Amino acid sequence: AQKITQTQPGMFVQEKEAVTLDCTYDTSDPSYGLFWYKQPSSGEMIFLIYQGSYDQQNATEGRYSLNFQKARKSANLVISASQLGDSAMYFCAMREGRGSQGNLIFGKGTKLSVKP
Amino acid sequence: ETGVTQTPRHLVMGMTNKKSLKCEQHLGHNAMYWYKQSAKKPLELMFVYNFKEQTENNSVPSRFSPECPNSSHLFLHLHTLQPEDSALYLCASSRAGGEERNTEAFFGQGTRLTVV
Repeated sequence: AQKITQTQPGMFVQEKEAVTLDCTYDTSDPSYGLFWYKQPSSGEMIFLIYQGSYDQQNATEGRYSLNFQKARKSANLVISASQLGDSAMYFCAMREGRGSQGNLIFGKGTKLSVKP
Repeated sequence: ETGVTQTPRHLVMGMTNKKSLKCEQHLGHNAMYWYKQSAKKPLELMFVYNFKEQTENNSVPSRFSPECPNSSHLFLHLHTLQPEDSALYLCASSRAGGEERNTEAFFGQGTRLTVV
């Protein structure tokens, strides 16, 4: 079974608008971390935001916020005020277990295209 | 610039060749990883090193041979590869142990490998 599911292969958004990228996860471990990465065409994976399973509040980092719904096992990424430079692949990932014991497992990704 | 450097950026090799991919990090991390990224597939974790010891080998064929001489350097030795091994190979590092937060992986820009 897939641990991380990203159901949107591709998304389009108008510049300056907000967009939500979906991510659901599957784990029986009570302790886990959720991560979002951006991969531009250059290939490098860029860390964007982290959400811990015990965090009470949704994580935010600048224009990025994570809509964490624990009961639904979803961790959607919200990008506000989209910019042309946001066009890239976006990957949701999960690390199970306390600390850094588990390995990062990635979803298939969503390709975001920002239109001018 | 994430602090993780991979060389070469591009590599074309024949099926009978022997080559090596190099990864270097100066972030003080003690966990290093090799991932394979093929088209339309999730990132596949290949190898994990924690404190220079290999802790994970995800059923990777023996034609891929990792080496971690110290906590800052990681190599992937390649020999008698197949065309289906063509992919983007990403190296990453992270802090091992301690709190779950701040355990995100930092990635290099990858080596685009083509096997002919």
